[in-house]
Amino acid sequence: NAGVTQTPKFRILKIGQSMTLQCTQDMNHNYMYWYRQDPGMGLKLIYYSVGAGITDKGEVPNGYNVSRSTTEDFPLRLELAAPSQTSVYFCASSDRLAENAGELFFGEGSRLTVL
Amino acid sequence: KNQVEQSPQSLIILEGKNCTLQCNYTVSPFSNLRWYKQDTGRGPVSLTIMTFSENTKSNGRYTATLDADTKQSSLHITASQLSDSASYICVVSEQGGATNKLIFGTGTLLAVQP
Repeated sequence: NAGVTQTPKFRILKIGQSMTLQCTQDMNHNYMYWYRQDPGMGLKLIYYSVGAGITDKGEVPNGYNVSRSTTEDFPLRLELAAPSQTSVYFCASSDRLAENAGELFFGEGSRLTVL
Repeated sequence: KNQVEQSPQSLIILEGKNCTLQCNYTVSPFSNLRWYKQDTGRGPVSLTIMTFSENTKSNGRYTATLDADTKQSSLHITASQLSDSASYICVVSEQGGATNKLIFGTGTLLAVQP
């Protein structure tokens, strides 16, 4: 049982480049999330999805886009990478809303550096 | 502003000793509180989830307490092991709204030394 799988684990981008962080889960969860974790800060929600075809912005969506064409996959696209997007990105999934005590299962993270 | 604050920021203890980590929050309305363990270079892993009606929950050597009146929670680790070295993150869920919002603390970095 793989859980939540993220690729790549590490990536270095030049300013202005674009890339997609991949996330897939095999638990048939409806809810999926993308967070970023910066040093000394709590995780911040970028985008989330409550099911295939439905996505919405979190706290820090600027500079990112997502899509959810299947239940399993929730890719995060960075357009025109900027140094401020240097961070560790985590994908997570759950079977219930957070306010209904839905447990979040996190991937291993993708460390992105923009130079 | 809804916030989650953890203390101490970091802690060093000897293997076999107990420790207690603190979490204070100002999130309202409150739905539930979670503790996660995050090993270096890994994703967070859930330890406990407590709703407002629960005041204690255990997961092996980890015991979380919650006082919803004072908006405080603690995570007690008993008989620490080297593998307990990690960051422990307190997370509070805000009730209602469409954003499914979780508010993350900045974590307590625990180092267990032999």
